[in-house]
Amino acid sequence: SQQGEEDPQALSIQEGENATMNCSYKTSINNLQWYRQNSGRGLVHLILIRSNEREKHSGRLRVTLDTSKKSSSLLITASRAADTASYFCATVMDSSYKLIFGSGTRLLVRP
Amino acid sequence: AAGVIQSPRHLIKEKRETATLKCYPIPRHDTVYWYQQGPGQDPQFLISFYEKMQSDKGSIPDRFSAQQFSDYHSELNMSSLELGDSALYFCASSPPMRPENEQYFGPGTRLTVT
Repeated sequence: SQQGEEDPQALSIQEGENATMNCSYKTSINNLQWYRQNSGRGLVHLILIRSNEREKHSGRLRVTLDTSKKSSSLLITASRAADTASYFCATVMDSSYKLIFGSGTRLLVRP
Repeated sequence: AAGVIQSPRHLIKEKRETATLKCYPIPRHDTVYWYQQGPGQDPQFLISFYEKMQSDKGSIPDRFSAQQFSDYHSELNMSSLELGDSALYFCASSPPMRPENEQYFGPGTRLTVT
């Protein structure tokens, strides 16, 4: 990956359980974003956390950011089968607005 | 709400042929980004345009070129296609004044080079 690693690479959980995905990055950032991708389809923006924020919530999503460790985590609570997808973190630097993606986590939620 | 439109959705070309991918951003969005996603890979930034000028360049091969037109749509031109160019090509757009914020992705063009 051009940015860093996400772990786990794949995650299989039962519906109703929580799913946690982690992301590490290499450079200083303006913000970090999480995107979701259903198989072979477009990317959908989920949540954005700025470099001066430590935690953010949106519905069943909770994102944390630790700039000292250059890492972020995405927690999906009370997962549903429809949450099955690949999840990517992407960073934006101050000097450039392009998204630099991590390697993604494939989440399978079993009904 | 209007979304990013990409055409064609699927494209099959032979080696050494050329391909043109088109992207129509969300109305009033002034920045367009192109990304390439190989099979099982993360998306990789290729190039971006702001107000019809190239604003950033990533790992785009010299065989590829792109531009943004006066109506803000963008085209990615790919020549001398290679098997390794087979990938999903995404276009994304972002609104003015907050370019560091979320990008809105199109459904992608799946290019297969045989």
